[in-house]
Amino acid sequence: NAGVTQTPKFQVLKTGQSMTLQCAQDMNHEYMSWYRQDPGMGLRLIHYSVGAGITDQGEVPNGYNVSRSTTEDFPLRLLSAAPSQTSVYFCASRSAIANTGELFFGEGSRLTVL
Amino acid sequence: GNSVTQMEGPVTLSEEAFLTINCTYTATGYPSLFWYVQYPGEGLQLLLKATKADDKGSNKGFEATYRKETTSFHLEKGSVQVSDSAVYFCALRSGGSQGNLIFGKGTKLSVKP
Repeated sequence: NAGVTQTPKFQVLKTGQSMTLQCAQDMNHEYMSWYRQDPGMGLRLIHYSVGAGITDQGEVPNGYNVSRSTTEDFPLRLLSAAPSQTSVYFCASRSAIANTGELFFGEGSRLTVL
Repeated sequence: GNSVTQMEGPVTLSEEAFLTINCTYTATGYPSLFWYVQYPGEGLQLLLKATKADDKGSNKGFEATYRKETTSFHLEKGSVQVSDSAVYFCALRSGGSQGNLIFGKGTKLSVKP
């Protein structure tokens, strides 16, 4: 059981470059989300989705785009990377039906923007 | 708005010491409360949860009680082990279909032999 899979695990970008962080889950979860983790800041919600075709903004959405064309995948796009986007990014999913609130996290993607 | 405040770290303890990590929250209504743990180089995983007042969540020797009167959900363990070294996050989830988790800033625990 793979759970939540994120790729790549590490990435270095130059300012202004674009890239996509991939996230896939095999648990048929309706809800998926992206968080960023920064020292002293905890985890902050970037974007989330409650189902295919539905996305919404979280606490810190600026500079990021998402789409949800399938239940399994929820990619996060950086259109023009900035040094302030240097962070560790986590994708997480949960079942909306079970309503237990437990989020299942990927192992994270460490992004450095020079 | 909803928020979570947890004690600043890092916390360093000797093996078999008693652990308390304080967590208080601000929320409307009756949120569900969680503790997540992050081991080095890994994502977060659920440690325990409580969904209503006076509920006690427990797992792996850790416990936390949902105290509505003090809006608290403190994490405790009677005897920590080196393997408990990790970052601990308190979180809340308010009601509604969106149900986004709001996390505290995390507390790093180091346990020395």
